Amino acid sequence: KAGVTQTPRYLIKTRGQQVTLSCSPISGHRSVSWYQQTPGQGLQFLFEYFSETQRNKGNFPGRFSGRQFSNSRSEMNVSTLELGDSALYLCASSPETGFYEQYFGPGTRLTVT
Amino acid sequence: DAKTTQPPSMDCAEGRAANLPCNHSTISGNEYVYWYRQIHSQGPQYIIHGLKNNETNEMASLIITEDRKSSTLILPHATLRDTAVYYCIVRPRNTGTASKLTFGTGTRLQVTL
Repeated sequence: KAGVTQTPRYLIKTRGQQVTLSCSPISGHRSVSWYQQTPGQGLQFLFEYFSETQRNKGNFPGRFSGRQFSNSRSEMNVSTLELGDSALYLCASSPETGFYEQYFGPGTRLTVT
Repeated sequence: DAKTTQPPSMDCAEGRAANLPCNHSTISGNEYVYWYRQIHSQGPQYIIHGLKNNETNEMASLIITEDRKSSTLILPHATLRDTAVYYCIVRPRNTGTASKLTFGTGTRLQVTL
């Protein structure tokens, strides 16, 4: 089975712009979670999607949003980028919601200048 | 979720078995032991999980003591590519809510020639 794929792998944006990141889960997995990872804050949960519905959301401002499509692919969007949004954004998939076995993609490294 | 205690760092010679311990003395009956690892600059990688029986997969073995208060992750033939931070987490398998993943400080395993 192919693993979790994320596009793009690297991205450079300027402050104030917006960005959309994409994630394709493992075939058959219906839950997709998004995380932000930075050296200072570690791994932080953004949100989880299951059956096209957001199941839970972490403690991030409304500038961070996401969605899931009927084929379980997911996108996350960050609007009005700030320098502090520079991070590795990770997507993880799981067969069902609430399961702790999650399979991560390689991540998208976002740099905001 | 039950608290876990892991040594901050360990060394292992390449080709030898790496035995990573984890204490979880407050584990409750419905909680599983999960192991993840994170190689530098990559996303976390799920390794294995277990409830009370020993488990083995293509990556590792998990040995859980009979009283379930501690466990050991075994990498049977460590390679340089196994150098990573290893996280032991204890929690119910299916919370019925979000799949939010949280890591403690973990054990930094250094595999050397």
